[in-house]
Amino acid sequence: EDQVTQSPEALRLQEGESSSLNCSYTVSGLRGLFWYRQDPGKGPEFLFTLYSAGEEKEKERLKATLTKKESFLHITAPKPEDSATYLCAVQVLTTDSWGKLQFGAGTQVVVTP
Amino acid sequence: DAGITQSPRHKVTETGTPVTLRCHQTENHRYMYWYRQDPGHGLRLIHYSYGVKDTDKGEVSDGYSVSRSKTEDFLLTLESATSSQTSVYFCATGQHQPQHFGDGTRLSIL
Repeated sequence: EDQVTQSPEALRLQEGESSSLNCSYTVSGLRGLFWYRQDPGKGPEFLFTLYSAGEEKEKERLKATLTKKESFLHITAPKPEDSATYLCAVQVLTTDSWGKLQFGAGTQVVVTP
Repeated sequence: DAGITQSPRHKVTETGTPVTLRCHQTENHRYMYWYRQDPGHGLRLIHYSYGVKDTDKGEVSDGYSVSRSKTEDFLLTLESATSSQTSVYFCATGQHQPQHFGDGTRLSIL
């Protein structure tokens, strides 16, 4: 059975204190891995797509990396505006032309001044 | 902003009544999706559409139906609402994956 697990569930950081979020997955075949950011009362906002092990993507203070079993979202020198819930999702490789996304439960990040 | 509008934003209704949620997009994206989000479960796909009148089931489709008669509109119907369908519902659009989400409809079924 395909599974996506995010850890930790919650993370409290001081402003400037770098940290990493983990997304581990067990799927029959990976087409892509996605990261989203979600603010309270809002829909998820797309951040990155990673397709193969070793790939990295960066956006401002965020950097996503991918291995064959997990992905990390590194937050470098976070600011209070980085506070949000970060979701990862995997797109499973299937015989269909379209692979459905399976989401993890998310990591809630709070950055205090 | 991908121009996704969900309506209503909040709704309270009673068990057994039909409910329809609407998603409207202005970006002409081919794919549209309906998800529900519940604590501890993450986002789960209900139904999706890959074109006008082309729809398919997701992982939690029981009790839900959808229709897409125009590119810009995707409707989700709860045929006879149950308390287990109390949730936050999100519509999304994209080319092959959900990249743009609406701000959700909070639905409470009493």
